[in-house]
Amino acid sequence: GAVVSQHPSRVICKSGTSVKIECRSLDFQATTMFWYRQFPKQSLMLMATSNEGSKATYEQGVEKDKFLINHASLTLSTLTVTSAHPEDSSFYICSARATTLALIGDTQYFGPGTRLTVL
Amino acid sequence: AQTVTQSQPEMSVQEAETVTLSCTYDTSESDYYLFWYKQPPSRQMILVIRQEAYKQQNATENRFSVNFQKAAKSFSLKISDSQLGDAAMYFCAVPHRKIQGAQKLVFGQGTRLTINP
Repeated sequence: GAVVSQHPSRVICKSGTSVKIECRSLDFQATTMFWYRQFPKQSLMLMATSNEGSKATYEQGVEKDKFLINHASLTLSTLTVTSAHPEDSSFYICSARATTLALIGDTQYFGPGTRLTVL
Repeated sequence: AQTVTQSQPEMSVQEAETVTLSCTYDTSESDYYLFWYKQPPSRQMILVIRQEAYKQQNATENRFSVNFQKAAKSFSLKISDSQLGDAAMYFCAVPHRKIQGAQKLVFGQGTRLTINP
């Protein structure tokens, strides 16, 4: 149980285009999802937190107009990188917090990540 | 600000031996969970073990166990009978604060564990 998927796993795009990354909890409902960014050989940096049906909360320094987050349902959150530039190239990881009693304790379950390369 | 310190950027251990990864932290939360995650070369973050801060008993999951010292704010991970598949980056994660009802996690800088055959 507690499987989270991300799509796509890799994406290459041209500078100025927008890219959407999907995060799905496959076998549980997630009221809260998190989006992280990870640079090579570094730790995870939280970008934003989203609850189903409400606006995302962004971390300081993260541009909300550039990184659009939509938490449309209890199993799906999307991150759209708008007008992407080479400096947005990174590894993006989502996580989901379960609501069921069997998966309690504020545990976050992670997706496999998306490698974004902006040319 | 909440901080998480993993003082060992790299560790190595012989296969079948025991290794301990250290983590110290600071948090203003009173009731919280602590986590160790591993990130193998695939970069998939995998939950290794979880400790409830209000429980005095240290958590154990098969070959993985923690030494949780709440007063000292220390949360180390012990891996017994190390296996080649344990090679990965290990991250300690502690709560920062609740956002929209969920605890935001702060991650340490990670310890890269190498298993020598």
